[in-house]
Amino acid sequence: GDSVTQMEGPVTLSEEAFLTINCTYTATGYPSLFWYVQYPGEGLQLLLKATKADDKGSNKGFEATYRKETTSFHLEKGSVQVSDSAVYFCALVRYGQNFVFGPGTRLSVLP
Amino acid sequence: NAGVTQTPKFQVLKTGQSMTLQCAQDMNHEYMSWYRQDPGMGLRLIHYSVGAGITDQGEVPNGYNVSRSTTEDFPLRLLSAAPSQTSVYFCASSYSSAGTQETQYFGPGTRLLVL
Repeated sequence: GDSVTQMEGPVTLSEEAFLTINCTYTATGYPSLFWYVQYPGEGLQLLLKATKADDKGSNKGFEATYRKETTSFHLEKGSVQVSDSAVYFCALVRYGQNFVFGPGTRLSVLP
Repeated sequence: NAGVTQTPKFQVLKTGQSMTLQCAQDMNHEYMSWYRQDPGMGLRLIHYSVGAGITDQGEVPNGYNVSRSTTEDFPLRLLSAAPSQTSVYFCASSYSSAGTQETQYFGPGTRLLVL
């Protein structure tokens, strides 16, 4: 079945550092890919998405590019802030199917 | 527009007790779902519904029941609580399940502790 793998956390960075959170997937066909973010005590909210190969999703300084050749959708940000501390989930969905989420990666940004 | 709301925020149960977790959305979304979130396991789908009167099982349905009598509401029932059901439960909704571009909107979650 479909699956999403994310890098192990937690990830701890200093403010203004560069962030990469790796995400790879296994799925038949052409899934859409998502990054969701969960701030402490809250539900998940959409951060960005990409619906076809080579698409780049971006929001709030975060970016991720849909790489079909490597089945990856790595999340990047050039300069993280303390307010970016959260849990980040990579997810996929195929047409007519339910979402599949990765295990989540906890990010802590220190001032 | 309240989005997706869940009640209660936190609940403690004893083994064998039953309870209902409430979920409501005011966005006229057809698709609603329940997930549980456990450390290191991400979100796992319990049950989902593609419209009023239609429900189906997800990845981990045992011990849970759902019904969908209206578009707005999708309650999750624990029939006889077990410690293994200690988790954080999220309700989510989207306009439909048929499109690959659909974004899911999540409620704030219910934290459940079963003793």
